[in-house]
Amino acid sequence: AQSVTQLDSQVPVFEEAPVELRCNYSSSVSVYLFWYVQYPNQGLQLLLKYLSGSTLVKGINGFEAEFNKSQTSFHLRKPSVHISDTAEYFCAVRQETSGSRLTFGEGTQLTVNP
Amino acid sequence: EAGVVQSPRYKIIEKKQPVAFWCNPISGHNTLYWYLQNLGQGPELLIRYENEEAVDDSQLPKDRFSAERLKGVDSTLKIQPAELGDSAVYLCASSLGGSFTDTQYFGPGTRLTVL
Repeated sequence: AQSVTQLDSQVPVFEEAPVELRCNYSSSVSVYLFWYVQYPNQGLQLLLKYLSGSTLVKGINGFEAEFNKSQTSFHLRKPSVHISDTAEYFCAVRQETSGSRLTFGEGTQLTVNP
Repeated sequence: EAGVVQSPRYKIIEKKQPVAFWCNPISGHNTLYWYLQNLGQGPELLIRYENEEAVDDSQLPKDRFSAERLKGVDSTLKIQPAELGDSAVYLCASSLGGSFTDTQYFGPGTRLTVL
């Protein structure tokens, strides 16, 4: 079975500081990895996804993530955050044997302070 | 292009009452998903449709929950009767197909409060 662990439930940072949101997954087969963002009272929006190829994936809003197979991690990074990045971020995994079922982590609340 | 539409956005009911949620997916999307999101947690899949067929409903509590997707477009999720523990956000998502690489697009959700 696949599972996702987001290591930090809350991450407070100051504006223009770098940030890393950590995600580890567990799976015995090949996986596809996703990061979604959820703003208050809204649905989830895809930030980026790793399907294959380059392990460094660039997404929207200046975010990027690196797939590390040996460490089973897919951490999300941004070199300089803005107030508008304040939101809940979810890491998700899908494995070939689970159909198109996405398994989500519990989320990380990123709060960017002025 | 319009996104996934859900209604109502908010619903407050008393326990033991029935409730229904409606979802209209992105035009042309054959796959539709219903997720449950409890407070402070990530979404969990309830059911997945490929066109009219429910192909993954293993997580749907069938004693009180039901869903349908007539004509392979709109979908309705129903709870009867609702319990206090059903208070959550119900998210609908859609994708072009059921491929592993497809992106799922989410609606804004329906926030259900059961009193």
